Amino acid sequence: DGGITQSPKYLFRKEGQNVTLSCEQNLNHDAMYWYRQDPGQGLRLIYYSQIVNDFQKGDIAEGYSVSREKKESFPLTVTSAQKNPTAFYLCASSPTSNNEQFFGPGTRLTVL
Amino acid sequence: DQQVKQNSPSLSVQEGRISILNCDYTNSMFDYFLWYKKYPAEGPTFLISISSIKDKNEDGRFTVFLNKSAKHLSLHIVPSQPGDSAVYFCAASNTNAGKSTFGDGTTLTVKP
Repeated sequence: DGGITQSPKYLFRKEGQNVTLSCEQNLNHDAMYWYRQDPGQGLRLIYYSQIVNDFQKGDIAEGYSVSREKKESFPLTVTSAQKNPTAFYLCASSPTSNNEQFFGPGTRLTVL
Repeated sequence: DQQVKQNSPSLSVQEGRISILNCDYTNSMFDYFLWYKKYPAEGPTFLISISSIKDKNEDGRFTVFLNKSAKHLSLHIVPSQPGDSAVYFCAASNTNAGKSTFGDGTTLTVKP
């Protein structure tokens, strides 16, 4: 089946630890995105990538890092510099950067 | 400054009636608009879109209207069904920007 996967669904980490969230797609999409959703709020863009080996900061990139070494994969690292990392993280992909986005099921990160 | 606003956090309608969800934007460079539907603890799914060269796009029970002069778009669902109960996000993009900006969402409840 074609789709976009995120793992794990739930993640717990201690404060001060870096953590990497996985995002994989087999849709052959060029563009990939990371969003954060907090309760009662919309999706805020963290990072996006329009092509392999290239990515740009979104609206709330501080404390996060990404890589795009392969077309299929766009992992997000939440660093200890992120002051409030507990949130629901969503990854998405699209054929090009100007199409509708296909979202993964999300990862809920809780930092204790 | 929030560029995409959904001023109604929630909307409740009776099954069979029309649901109208509204969205306002401030950036006149936006030229592509999308609506997504989201269930709790899941990723959003694409619903319908409209290009700025059109003022209406229809897909089954869903119709999106765009009023560029007012920088306003709306999603009409007719007839509403209980399964339509979800959070609806409006999103806007600029063809050259390579990313979308999301509103905070409107929670639609359709009562049987």
